[in-house]
Amino acid sequence: GAGVSQSPSNKVTEKGKDVELRCDPISGHTALYWYRQSLGQGLEFLIYFQGNSAPDKSGLPSDRFSAERTGGSVSTLTIQRTQQEDSAVYLCASSLGLAGGRNEQFFGPGTRLTVL
Amino acid sequence: GDSVTQMEGPVTLSEEAFLTINCTYTATGYPSLFWYVQYPGEGLQLLLKATKADDKGSNKGFEATYRKETTSFHLEKGSVQVSDSAVYFCALSSNSGYSTLTFGKGTMLLVSP
Repeated sequence: GAGVSQSPSNKVTEKGKDVELRCDPISGHTALYWYRQSLGQGLEFLIYFQGNSAPDKSGLPSDRFSAERTGGSVSTLTIQRTQQEDSAVYLCASSLGLAGGRNEQFFGPGTRLTVL
Repeated sequence: GDSVTQMEGPVTLSEEAFLTINCTYTATGYPSLFWYVQYPGEGLQLLLKATKADDKGSNKGFEATYRKETTSFHLEKGSVQVSDSAVYFCALSSNSGYSTLTFGKGTMLLVSP
């Protein structure tokens, strides 16, 4: 079975442009998470989806960041008017949505975003 | 809020050496604890986990014991291999709700032949 996939694997953009990052979770996984991995900051939680709803958006760093999920499957993270500090690896994970230690999250390979 | 602190790297070892990577946490309640590994050019993979105090997680020769009294979850391996070179992340999740992960900053391990 396929794992979590993300596209593109690398994205280079100019400051001020909008970007869209895509995540395809494992089939049947109801929960989907976005994290950001940046140098010196480690891994930061951005947003969580259960189905198509996002009960926790607390990690989104600003209103330039938004995400949606459709059909309980694919998710898109959009960053508007990108800034250089947005440069990072954006990781997507999916899980069965169970509580606590049973909720193993499976990670995609990430999208490396570079804002020039 | 919840937080995870792990030792800074890089940790540089010779093959067959003993490995310890320290991890301590701050959390309300009784979280589940995890170690994830990221090999060069690859995504994060779950290495091991423990869901309650005194549990020991183990996988691929790695072990970690959930110590509630010291709020620690140190990763150990008796004899490392070159193929263990990677970045290791300690993480926790609440045992209620939807369980997002709170990660430490990661520790790079470099093993030389």
